[in-house]
Amino acid sequence: QVQLVQSGSELKKPGASVKVSCKASGYTFTTYAMHWVRQAPGQGLEWMGWISPNTDNPTYAQGFTGRFVFSLDTSVTTAYLQISSLKAEDTAVYYCARGHLTPKARLDPWGQGTLVTVSS
Amino acid sequence: QSALTQPASVSGSPGQSITISCTGTSSDIGGYNYVSWYQQHPGKAPKLMIYDVTNRPPGVSNRFSGSKSGNTASLTISGLQADDEADYYCNSYTSINTRVFGGGTKLTVL
Repeated sequence: QVQLVQSGSELKKPGASVKVSCKASGYTFTTYAMHWVRQAPGQGLEWMGWISPNTDNPTYAQGFTGRFVFSLDTSVTTAYLQISSLKAEDTAVYYCARGHLTPKARLDPWGQGTLVTVSS
Repeated sequence: QSALTQPASVSGSPGQSITISCTGTSSDIGGYNYVSWYQQHPGKAPKLMIYDVTNRPPGVSNRFSGSKSGNTASLTISGLQADDEADYYCNSYTSINTRVFGGGTKLTVL
């Protein structure tokens, strides 16, 4: 079955970097895009952006430019989210979600989420 | 891109029907039929319940239905069950080739 499995929780200090992975299985990785969604503690879902294997040109939502980088490694069917210069307000659960090769399409399925905690 | 507007909470008794609204603009909900709805239980990942305004993925109960009128989309749950108690989020494609979520609605089954 289609499945997205994310890497485990991370505890980082302010200023550090983190790379979250999202391993896909059960479908042809190169025929779907990957979206990233953030959920801060006790808050709602926030769409961060998406990356397509066709263009390899990520789109970032407002507020997620500069320190956030999406990437794909098709050889291991894995998507990555890297966040640099971490701040306390980056503390959140980060989800990957499969999309189609257009941002118009639905997000399904979702990974289980990765908790990133930023604290000194 | 501002978040779509949802009521913070709704409630209903078992067996009743409830409707959750999601209001946007002509640049998102009103301009496209690409509204989806997600259910999230506490501590769990979101799950797709409705896509392209009215479509249900395989395995989702037909008690869940979606609609749209103008700039407002709606999710209706009929025959409420205890397990429906969760947070619900709407999501829409936008005119600037992005997606945007609503603020979320907490459904309480009384």
